[in-house]
Amino acid sequence: QAVLTQPSSLSASPGASASLTCTLRSGINVGTYMIYWFQQKPGSPPQFLLNYRSDSDKKQGSGVPSRFSGSKDASANAGILLISGLQSEDEADYYCMMWHSSTWEFGGGTKLTVL
Amino acid sequence: QVQLVQSGAEVKKPGASVKVSCKASGYIFTSYDINWVRQATGQGLEWLGWMDPKSGNTGYARKFQGRVTMTRDTSINTAYMELSSLKSDDTAVYYCARNPSFTGDFEYWGQGALVTVSS
Repeated sequence: QAVLTQPSSLSASPGASASLTCTLRSGINVGTYMIYWFQQKPGSPPQFLLNYRSDSDKKQGSGVPSRFSGSKDASANAGILLISGLQSEDEADYYCMMWHSSTWEFGGGTKLTVL
Repeated sequence: QVQLVQSGAEVKKPGASVKVSCKASGYIFTSYDINWVRQATGQGLEWLGWMDPKSGNTGYARKFQGRVTMTRDTSINTAYMELSSLKSDDTAVYYCARNPSFTGDFEYWGQGALVTVSS
């Protein structure tokens, strides 16, 4: 079973909010981990969006709008990327990442469609 | 401005090796780690390993241990990733990315280098 699991796709309307989840494998507690989020558009390398461990331990990527934010859902054992005020340019693939067992682990990615 | 410029596309035969370079500019090369990540067409991101350009220390994903070697030449601010015993499923775009040590803030990425493994 993969360390990080993301839904393969998500659709949302312009102006709405989208909540992208990154679920940790059973037995790995999201509470202490820093979760990283990247956006990737076709033909381009990934772009660092933000990291999130807690409300007091987080970082926004340089130039990343504040409508991108991170959080956690402890009950679901998941990291969350929230995108508010969706714009057409937010249509992209989104990847989560964490450090586990001396390895940077990526989730499989979520393709976000804005329509 | 910070830039990571990678070498060009390569075509290799199964069993061969490939060496991809990543030339850094716009910052102090030895002050940040370099990580290598690959992506097969239409697939997700896969981490290969990291290197500290200052010390030369490395750490490799278990899957690639024994097949990957990461080195650097600090005189020309360039990092290298060599992958040996290539197989067809190594066909992918290989990216280098810069991050502060002990973080996953991969804030700068190279443009990617396509490696095609085909007989």
